[in-house]
Amino acid sequence: KAGVTQTPRYLIKTRGQQVTLSCSPISGHRSVSWYQQTPGQGLQFLFEYFSETQRNKGNFPGRFSGRQFSNSRSEMNVSTLELGDSALYLCASSLRGGSSYEQYFGPGTRLTVT
Amino acid sequence: GQQVMQIPQYQHVQEGEDFTTYCNSSTTLSNIQWYKQRPGGHPVFLIQLVKSGEVKKQKRLTFQFGEAKKNSSLHITATQTTDVGTYFCAAGGYQKVTFGTGTKLQVIP
Repeated sequence: KAGVTQTPRYLIKTRGQQVTLSCSPISGHRSVSWYQQTPGQGLQFLFEYFSETQRNKGNFPGRFSGRQFSNSRSEMNVSTLELGDSALYLCASSLRGGSSYEQYFGPGTRLTVT
Repeated sequence: GQQVMQIPQYQHVQEGEDFTTYCNSSTTLSNIQWYKQRPGGHPVFLIQLVKSGEVKKQKRLTFQFGEAKKNSSLHITATQTTDVGTYFCAAGGYQKVTFGTGTKLQVIP
């Protein structure tokens, strides 16, 4: 089985711009979660999508949004980028999500905001 | 909301020494998962514990879930350089997983 893929792998943006990141889960997995990882804050949960519906949301401002398509692929959007948004963005897929199933992480998208 | 603390934050050990990281939750958990992230890599699932007092072993790694289901530990016996990385616990609550702060392990050859 192919693993979780994320595109692009690296991205450089300017403050004020917006960005869209993409995640393709493992075939058959219906849950996709997004995390922000920074050296100082660890793994911060952004949101989880299951069957095209946002099931859980972390404590991030409304500039962070996401969606999931019928094929379970997911996108994450960040509008009006700030310097503090520079981070590694990881997506993780799971068979059914929630807390009972292990998550499989993608390689991440390294976002740098200048 | 649920808070999950891991200690220590960093640990340097000589190769061959043992290592333990602890995970503590402010609330009772439905389960706990452990992940390992190698430098430059992404978190990889290691194991899930569900039952109170559960102990599971994977070669040199021993995982424990506390009797009250509020804490967990990961113990590595006789560390090797391949054990280098950050170990995260992920606490399972109602339909949600909260990752701990992580313990970064350095192994000195």
